Amino acid sequence: GAGVSQTPSNKVTEKGKYVELRCDPISGHTALYWYRQSLGQGPEFLIYFQGTGAADDSGLPNDRFFAVRPEGSVSTLKIQRTERGDSAVYLCASSSGPEAGELFFGEGSRLTVL
Amino acid sequence: AQSVTQLDSQVPVFEEAPVELRCNYSSSVSVYLFWYVQYPNQGLQLLLKYLSGSTLVESINGFEAEFNKSQTSFHLRKPSVHISDTAEYFCAVSDTDKLIFGTGTRLQVFP
Repeated sequence: GAGVSQTPSNKVTEKGKYVELRCDPISGHTALYWYRQSLGQGPEFLIYFQGTGAADDSGLPNDRFFAVRPEGSVSTLKIQRTERGDSAVYLCASSSGPEAGELFFGEGSRLTVL
Repeated sequence: AQSVTQLDSQVPVFEEAPVELRCNYSSSVSVYLFWYVQYPNQGLQLLLKYLSGSTLVESINGFEAEFNKSQTSFHLRKPSVHISDTAEYFCAVSDTDKLIFGTGTRLQVFP
C-alpha cells in the first residue's frame, strides 16, 4: 500500500487478556518503530527494528510487551496479561533508515482495556 | 538522553492572526529537530525538519521554524493562521536511532 497500515484500528479487551497489534510498513522501508500515545501525551518510544532485528527496545515498559518482525516487513506488537494502564493508541512508523530524518506514521491502533 | 519541552498545551487564536508554538530541547552536540502535525482523526505527519544548513526551515503551508542553538529552541511560527490549521502539533528531537516527542500543543483557530 501507499502508507503505513495498522490493524485493528480499535481493540477493546478485558484485563488479563492477550492482544496482538499489526503494522504493515511502507514497502522497502527497513526501519520500523512502535510508539504509544496516551491521552494528552506525545508519542512515547517503545521499540525500533532495523530489518528483522530489534535494534533498540529500551522503551518497552516491561516484559509483558514484545514485538517481532520476522521477515523484515510486517511487525506485530504483543501484549500479555493486559492491564487498564495499557489503554492507549499504539502508533507504528517506518522510514528508509534512522538517518533519513522522517518517520511515516500509521493512523494507530486504539487499545482499550476494561 | 534527549528530551523536548513544549511549554503550551493549548494555543487559541483567531483566524488570520500570527501564532508561535514553543519548543525547547535538551542540549546536545548535534541534533535533528522536527515538527509533526496531527489533524483530527488522522495520523501524524511531518510538517518540517532541521537536519543541517540554514537554521530557518519552512513548510509548504506557510509554517516556519528556526533552530536556535544558544537557546536550544525550535519554535514554530506562522504569520497568519487558517481555520484548517487547527490540529495538534508535536516537536521532536533525534536521539541516536529514534525520535523523542514533546507532549504536544493543541492549536485551535477560531473564525
